[in-house]
Amino acid sequence: GAVVSQHPSRVICKSGTSVKIECRSLDFQATTMFWYRQFPKKSLMLMATSNEGSKATYEQGVEKDKFLINHASLTLSTLTVTSAHPEDSSFYICSARWDRGLNTEAFFGQGTRLTVV
Amino acid sequence: GEDVEQSLFLSVREGDSSVINCTYTDSSSTYLYWYKQEPGAGLQLLTYIFSNMDMKQDQRLTVLLNKKDKHLSLRIADTQTGDSAIYFCAEFDTGGNQFYFGTGTSLTVIP
Repeated sequence: GAVVSQHPSRVICKSGTSVKIECRSLDFQATTMFWYRQFPKKSLMLMATSNEGSKATYEQGVEKDKFLINHASLTLSTLTVTSAHPEDSSFYICSARWDRGLNTEAFFGQGTRLTVV
Repeated sequence: GEDVEQSLFLSVREGDSSVINCTYTDSSSTYLYWYKQEPGAGLQLLTYIFSNMDMKQDQRLTVLLNKKDKHLSLRIADTQTGDSAIYFCAEFDTGGNQFYFGTGTSLTVIP
């Protein structure tokens, strides 16, 4: 099946620093990429939706200046957590939408465990 | 947003069938999906069904869709310990270009 690669899988950073997370669709061009945040034992919370070459659409309550999303190409989107704080510690997951003819599928990256100390 | 509801927990014995249920509210959904999440990992797409279908079978997995009741189920035949995970159903709103996820069902398989 299609693969979405997310990197890094784990990162520990100091409070006040920035962290970049990459999401790549390896064998297809993604119409749209989505960024989610998942709290322990909870479902996914959509943070933002990004389309290649345009600004990301952020969900209500998500600070766009803190969570910078760049969708540079049809196969790459990045999420940068700026000036990270301990409350930003979470599991971040990206997904990529693949439109194949009449079918629409979404494949997920492996997730990134961010710990801010 | 749309509401997608799932029961939180399910326990079954190894070898039995598991049925995970999901209800949704968006009647315009085109696709409905089932994902599996193992601890510390991302989501793995298991299967999906187009909204004009009633049933889809893929090896041990059977998806049933009742559009009238907006009810989706995933049946896992001959459940194995490796099937223990959290299962999410999701609906895709083509107009809004957004996925809505259920709360997830934690499946525990007892040897």
